[in-house]
Amino acid sequence: EAGVAQSPRYKIIEKRQSVAFWCNPISGHATLYWYQQILGQGPKLLIQFQNNGVVDDSQLPKDRFSAERLKGVDSTLKIQPAKLEDSAVYLCASSPLGGKRSEQYFGPGTRLTVT
Amino acid sequence: SQELEQSPQSLIVQEGKNLTINCTSSKTLYGLYWYKQKYGEGLIFLMMLQKGGEEKSHEKITAKLDEKKQQSSLHITASQPSHAGIYLCGAVSSQTDSWGKLQFGAGTQVVVTP
Repeated sequence: EAGVAQSPRYKIIEKRQSVAFWCNPISGHATLYWYQQILGQGPKLLIQFQNNGVVDDSQLPKDRFSAERLKGVDSTLKIQPAKLEDSAVYLCASSPLGGKRSEQYFGPGTRLTVT
Repeated sequence: SQELEQSPQSLIVQEGKNLTINCTSSKTLYGLYWYKQKYGEGLIFLMMLQKGGEEKSHEKITAKLDEKKQQSSLHITASQPSHAGIYLCGAVSSQTDSWGKLQFGAGTQVVVTP
């Protein structure tokens, strides 16, 4: 079974530029998550999709971050414009059921450096 | 929101020795997950605990959930180099949160020396 795929793996941009990350979850997984992990900290949930609907985006900085999951499969996360504090690893995860009933499977992450 | 404190922040253990990591929550635990992360990689699921007093083991790793103490522990017996990495606990923040939003601790870095 293929795991969660993410691209790119690394990205370096200057502040005020835009960047987009792509995630392809495990086939059949209804729930998709985007996390931000700053160095030395645990992952912080940015947004959670159930199929193609958003169920939680309370910690997403909506003035600069956006995410979509068209057709309920793969997803993109965009930052526009980027700030220095956005430097982090962006992790995508998926789970078959969501909720408390199943574990989340994580992709390798995209390491973003904003200069 | 729920806060998870992991201790220790980091530890160095000699190969073959045992180690224990703790995860303490500021609120009632409704589900506790343990993950392992290697530098530059995503999180690997280890175990999920959902009931007070629950204990699970996989190979040399054992995790327990103490609901009363709002705490979980992860114990590794006879550590090996493959056990090196960052161990993260994640908890479901609310009994009514049907979507299972996870809050994570900051992680415990484990180094295994020869």
